Amino acid sequence: NAGVTQTPKFQVLKTGQSMTLQCAQDMNHEYMSWYRQDPGMGLRLIHYSVGAGITDQGEVPNGYNVSRSTTEDFPLRLLSAAPSQTSVYFCASSYSRTGISYEQYFGPGTRLTVT
Amino acid sequence: AQSVTQLGSHVSVSEGALVLLRCNYSSSVPPYLFWYVQYPNQGLQLLLKYTTGATLVKGINGFEAEFKKSETSFHLTKPSAHMSDAAEYFCAVSERGGSNYKLTFGKGTLLTVNP
Repeated sequence: NAGVTQTPKFQVLKTGQSMTLQCAQDMNHEYMSWYRQDPGMGLRLIHYSVGAGITDQGEVPNGYNVSRSTTEDFPLRLLSAAPSQTSVYFCASSYSRTGISYEQYFGPGTRLTVT
Repeated sequence: AQSVTQLGSHVSVSEGALVLLRCNYSSSVPPYLFWYVQYPNQGLQLLLKYTTGATLVKGINGFEAEFKKSETSFHLTKPSAHMSDAAEYFCAVSERGGSNYKLTFGKGTLLTVNP
């Protein structure tokens, strides 16, 4: 298994540009999520999905869109990039069952700079 | 809403010394508790987790943590630090029940190990 993969590893955008960060997993996990990591802030949840066709907002969703058309893929779209979106973005996935806590697997991250 | 506090954004120890990283949570019901490690320029890896049962949990790389309900704490320890332990450590919680997959992270503690 490749686990959780993310592309690209690095990206530089100009303010106002749009782009999509890709995330894929091959473990048949129902749950997928996107976090952003900023110095001294830990990881904060942007959006998450509990299955194909089901998404919801996390703690910091503004400026980001997601969709989940397949179990494997969960892309994160930046509609109009802003310098405040400069961050490292992590995708994670896990099984999802009520009453059971499964390990979440994290991708290697995408380092995004917005100038 | 749940919150996680990690006391000390930076901890420095000598090789062979005890490692103690502190984590306190705020939740009306004891949550699921996790410690993750992040090596430079990598994603997060699960060290250990507490879900139920024995309150002393052993993880990978010689780390362990003890859940203390009365103190709302889940401190991470290792008896003897190695140079390879230098990394950033994150405490995280998720609620018991339906949304047990959504993680709330602390701000992280950077561990430095001095020779």
